[in-house]
This record gives sequence, C-alpha cells and structure tokens, in this order.
Amino acid sequence: EAQVTQNPRYLITVTGKKLTVTCSQNMNHEYMSWYRQDPGLGLRQIYYSMNVEVTDKGDVPEGYKVSRKEKRNFPLILESPSPNQTSLYFCASRLQGANYEQYFGPGTRLTVT
Amino acid sequence: DAKTTQPNSMESNEEEPVHLPCNHSTISGTDYIHWYRQLPSQGPEYVIHGLTSNVNNRMASLAIAEDRKSSTLILHRATLRDAAVYYCILVGAGGTSYGKLTFGQGTILTVHP
Repeated sequence: EAQVTQNPRYLITVTGKKLTVTCSQNMNHEYMSWYRQDPGLGLRQIYYSMNVEVTDKGDVPEGYKVSRKEKRNFPLILESPSPNQTSLYFCASRLQGANYEQYFGPGTRLTVT
Repeated sequence: DAKTTQPNSMESNEEEPVHLPCNHSTISGTDYIHWYRQLPSQGPEYVIHGLTSNVNNRMASLAIAEDRKSSTLILHRATLRDAAVYYCILVGAGGTSYGKLTFGQGTILTVHP
C-alpha cells in the first residue's frame, strides 16, 4: 500500500531533550516536506526537500533541522525542544513537480513540557 | 509568497451542490492551484488541482477564473462525509516559490442532513 508513515504518533517530552520524528514514504517520491499545525494558525511548512541531499527552509524553520540522506526518509530533528514547539506535525511527499498531488502522513502529536 | 483567502466557514445541506471560493490575487504565472481537505484527526488529502483550465475528477470540479486570481471548488452533491476543512493552496512551479507550499486558513464546511 502506498503510504507515508510517521513515528512516533504521539510524544510527550521535556524542554531541551533532543528528539527525532521519522518520516518514510514507499512511493519513490523525490519531494518531501514537513508541516506543523496549530489552532488558529493552520498548516505551516517547516522544511522541504526536492531530492536526496537537497533541503530548503519553509515558512517556520527556526528550532528544527532536517536531513535527506535517502530518498524514502526525511526525519525532523528538534535539537532542543521548547514548549512553543508543541504542535501537530505532518510529513508529506509527492513526485517532483508542482502538478502532482501531495500525500500526507497521519501526523505526530508532540507535547513539550 | 502568494497567499490565498477563503471564507472561514460555509454550510450546506446534504445532496446539494457546494461552491467553495478562493481568492489568490497575487498568483504568479507558474503557480498551480491545489485544493486539499482535512477530515477530523487526519492529515490533509488531495482533492483536485489546476493551472488555467477548469478541471473535473471523481471528487469535485475546479473552476478557475480567466485572470487566475480566483477559483472555486465545486462539490456537486454534498454528503455528510464531505464535512471537513478545505484548503486552497498555491504550489510554486518555478522561481523563488519552487517547492514552497503556503496553506491559508481554510474553509470549515458543515453539511446538514
């Protein structure tokens, strides 16, 4: 089944404790992206990757890191999480090109205390 | 970055057509217009997209204004399962917006039985 998977689905952590949210897709998509969703602010793009070893900032990259060493994986790294990073995170992927649909993962709910 | 403007909410009755408007007056010539919807507790899912011409698929129709500064998503016969938040998004296909996605606030669609 074609899908985007994220792990973990739920995470509660403390301020400053480094964490990684994994994202994997099995559709051989070149493009992958991370979003956060907050009440009243909608979905905002954090980082995106056009292909392996190619990443770029979205609208809200501060406090996040990404890497794209393999085509199928695009982990989101929070080196020192803070409470304002408490949010619902979505990973997505698509084929290269703006005329392709994007497939979203199920989401990761992160709480930083 | 090009932005979209949508009504905060709309209501419809089951089995009736629904027209969801979107304004994107700063659209660039290479931007695609995409529509996604998000059901409660799920990631966004693709609905339809277009560039200049009107488009139809099994889920909906997309009507694009001749000057491309606005578009309308048409659900021909709303069902209770269509109740969701609908997002109109411009997807850059070139220049500085290539790869970036900017979600608007979306329209909350309520469907009454």
